Amino acid sequence: AQTVTQSQPEMSVQEAETVTLSCTYDTSESDYYLFWYKQPPSRQMILVIRQEAYKQQNATENRFSVNFQKAAKSFSLKISDSQLGDAAMYFCAYKVLGADGLTFGKGTHLIIQP
Amino acid sequence: DTGVSQDPRHKITKRGQNVTFRCDPISEHNRLYWYRQTLGQGPEFLTYFQNEAQLEKSRLLSDRFSAERPKGSFSTLEIQRTEQGDSAMYLCASSLLDGRESYEQYFGPGTRLTVT
Repeated sequence: AQTVTQSQPEMSVQEAETVTLSCTYDTSESDYYLFWYKQPPSRQMILVIRQEAYKQQNATENRFSVNFQKAAKSFSLKISDSQLGDAAMYFCAYKVLGADGLTFGKGTHLIIQP
Repeated sequence: DTGVSQDPRHKITKRGQNVTFRCDPISEHNRLYWYRQTLGQGPEFLTYFQNEAQLEKSRLLSDRFSAERPKGSFSTLEIQRTEQGDSAMYLCASSLLDGRESYEQYFGPGTRLTVT
């Protein structure tokens, strides 16, 4: 069974600084997708960034980038120039190619200090 | 389109009662998913539909749970004989199948169920 592990229950960063959220996963599949989702307080979950396992290049979306290490089964999220609006729960998720249910980690609560 | 909507947003029920939740996906999306999220945990996949067909069910979906998607539009999730352990946030998501793959799942705001 696939598992996703987020070892940091909570992280805190000063506004404008950079923070990295960790995620590791366990799978025997070779074709899969990895995602980071953001869930602000009392608001719905939104996709931050997606990485296809077959792509060696790390995905980037504006201030958000990932460090995808396939051999190590690691998928960390880097947030640059942190803003107050980045405060949320961040979930790492995994999906096998051809399957559709997402497997989520337990989440990391990100606090932005003004 | 205003995104995925869910109704009700909150539901309090007594143990043993039946409850039904509704999800309206983004109109052009042909895939619809249900997840359950308990406090301090990430969402757990329950089931998904492609159009009106229910294609996959998790082991988490006990016999007391049933989901439908008549006509491939909105979906309902019913829980019969609710138990306190059913208390959770129930999330709905939808996506568009593009060829072999569907990519981004768009989530609704969820229905928070409290069983007393």
